[in-house]
Amino acid sequence: AQSVTQLDSQVPVFEEAPVELRCNYSSSVSVYLFWYVQYPNQGLQLLLKYLSGSTLVKGINGFEAEFNKSQTSFHLRKPSVHISDTAEYFCAVSDEKGGADGLTFGKGTHLIIQP
Amino acid sequence: ETGVTQSPTHLIKTRGQQVTLRCSSQSGHNTVSWYQQALGQGPQFIFQYYREEENGRGNFPPRFSGLQFPNYSSELNVNALELDDSALYLCASSSGSGGGYETQYFGPGTRLLVL
Repeated sequence: AQSVTQLDSQVPVFEEAPVELRCNYSSSVSVYLFWYVQYPNQGLQLLLKYLSGSTLVKGINGFEAEFNKSQTSFHLRKPSVHISDTAEYFCAVSDEKGGADGLTFGKGTHLIIQP
Repeated sequence: ETGVTQSPTHLIKTRGQQVTLRCSSQSGHNTVSWYQQALGQGPQFIFQYYREEENGRGNFPPRFSGLQFPNYSSELNVNALELDDSALYLCASSSGSGGGYETQYFGPGTRLLVL
């Protein structure tokens, strides 16, 4: 069974400052990793994903994440945030079994951008 | 290209009743998954359908059931509603056979309140 831990439930950041949202996972098999964003009263939108290859993954809206197998982490970063980045961010994991287990999500991190 | 749509957007039911939620997949997608997102939590995988057959299920009781139709739209049925079933129900579609590497595209969700 897989699990995802998002270490911070809330992260307040000033506008134009950098941010890192932390995600750790546990799994006994090789995994695929995803970051999704959820704006208020909306569904989830994919920011980026790691399947294989380069451990640094670039996504939409200037976000990037780095896969670290030894530390079982997949932290999300952005060098300069904007007010529009205020949202809930979810880290998720799946493996080659795919449909049998679906995506396993963390509890989310609420990113709060302060002007 | 039409994204994932869900209906209704909101629903209020009483304990013991039955409910049906509907989802239309993104054009060209033949796999659909359903997730339950309780307030303040990450989404939890309910089940996945591929070519009208259930090919994966999370830790949900049998009173949660589903269907996928030949046009790849889907229904989630919940019998004998309990107060804890109050949540946002998310539908997601993908273009493959449900592999863990596939990107899932989410709809806006149906918010169910059980009184």
